[in-house]
Amino acid sequence: GAGVSQSPSNKVTEKGKDVELRCDPISGHTALYWYRQSLGQGLEFLIYFQGNSAPDKSGLPSDRFSAERTGGSVSTLTIQRTQQEDSAVYLCASSSQGGNNQPQHFGDGTRLSIL
Amino acid sequence: GENVEQHPSTLSVQEGDSAVIKCTYSDSASNYFPWYKQELGKRPQLIIDIRSNVGEKKDQRIAVTLNKTAKHFSLHITETQPEDSAVYFCAAVNQAGTALIFGKGTTLSVSS
Repeated sequence: GAGVSQSPSNKVTEKGKDVELRCDPISGHTALYWYRQSLGQGLEFLIYFQGNSAPDKSGLPSDRFSAERTGGSVSTLTIQRTQQEDSAVYLCASSSQGGNNQPQHFGDGTRLSIL
Repeated sequence: GENVEQHPSTLSVQEGDSAVIKCTYSDSASNYFPWYKQELGKRPQLIIDIRSNVGEKKDQRIAVTLNKTAKHFSLHITETQPEDSAVYFCAAVNQAGTALIFGKGTTLSVSS
């Protein structure tokens, strides 16, 4: 596609429910990243994929967070037993290859609200 | 791990003035430094980046300078326009080379 696509754009759910967020990277981009942006804050790194493997998942805040990527393309970020502090915008980015010094291009994000 | 500090947090200028945003980083091995512009409710957009083998890069009204010895880099916007109003984020690659570590952002307001 022309850019990074994320769905849903907005998600409102009750505390304790599980949510699944989807990211479709730019076609041909092998590297995929998830970030979280809380209100008025900067971007916090969560996890990095190179192809289908995740060499760096150091930013996942707890074991309630997991992510997978299949077919070297679409990725899903799953948050189990959601808490109010999980409310944030979840941003996905992709780049043409992994490693440093490659431009990352972001999607519009999923705005997650936990009631 | 890598830590990026960004200043100022807010910046207000008159249209036509210059704006400068400064960032420092902690990991001397970092070699890539992008700048992103984020308008309200929109995605971060890459506006310029610099690699550690150069000291300065310019693209029309935007320039970035890098001082590797001092571990700081700066964004310069000249002849500011109201449409430059946004939040600007600097970033540096983390030690593992696997992700960007972002500053906390600068809210730039350009008044006409």
